[in-house]
Amino acid sequence: LAKTTQPISMDSYEGQEVNITCSHNNIATNDYITWYQQFPSQGPRFIIQGYKTKVTNEVASLFIPADRKSSTLSLPRVSLSDTAVYYCLPRNEQGGKLIFGQGTELSVKP
Amino acid sequence: SAVISQKPSRDICQRGTSLTIQCQVDSQVTMMFWYRQQPGQSLTLIATANQGSEATYESGFVIDKFPISRPNLTFSTLTVSNMSPEDSSIYLCSVEVVGTPNTGELFFGEGSRLTVL
Repeated sequence: LAKTTQPISMDSYEGQEVNITCSHNNIATNDYITWYQQFPSQGPRFIIQGYKTKVTNEVASLFIPADRKSSTLSLPRVSLSDTAVYYCLPRNEQGGKLIFGQGTELSVKP
Repeated sequence: SAVISQKPSRDICQRGTSLTIQCQVDSQVTMMFWYRQQPGQSLTLIATANQGSEATYESGFVIDKFPISRPNLTFSTLTVSNMSPEDSSIYLCSVEVVGTPNTGELFFGEGSRLTVL
């Protein structure tokens, strides 16, 4: 599975848009990019996934360039409740295990 | 979606004892996984729980220390054997659910917080 690199931490303020970029230079052709969110004392929760270009759901947007060597999770107008750790993970289209990297600890301040 | 019930949610154990953690899912699942998350760290995959056969362990984890059972599609147990303080961690069950529209989506339990004295 491809190794991923994310910023260890990020700070933001309520109402701002937050973009978290993940590098995955060696992603396999049949891997999707998935993003998970983890609050303290809870298990991770799936946010969004994509293969190429842009995907948007009710929570976030995901931008993946044509070379697929990186991806950017965009959280519009964050609130205090978005304070969490965000993980970028490749996953094979056939399913299988997820290998977690270090994640990005996002802190949203008033 | 899936509701995953892990028991116990937390426990305090003595060194040298063993503890079994249960994971029950309310949906049909294809794959089940066990992870460990030490304080302030990311999740580490322990093993894939295979129905009716031996689990597949990741590097650094062995069956004698972390025996796993999966007698049916919706239930699995993880035992932490001969515990030491280094085993203090949160243990999480994760599943892939049949019919989930998102290929990349796994569902996670709330975790079992284990403290070894």
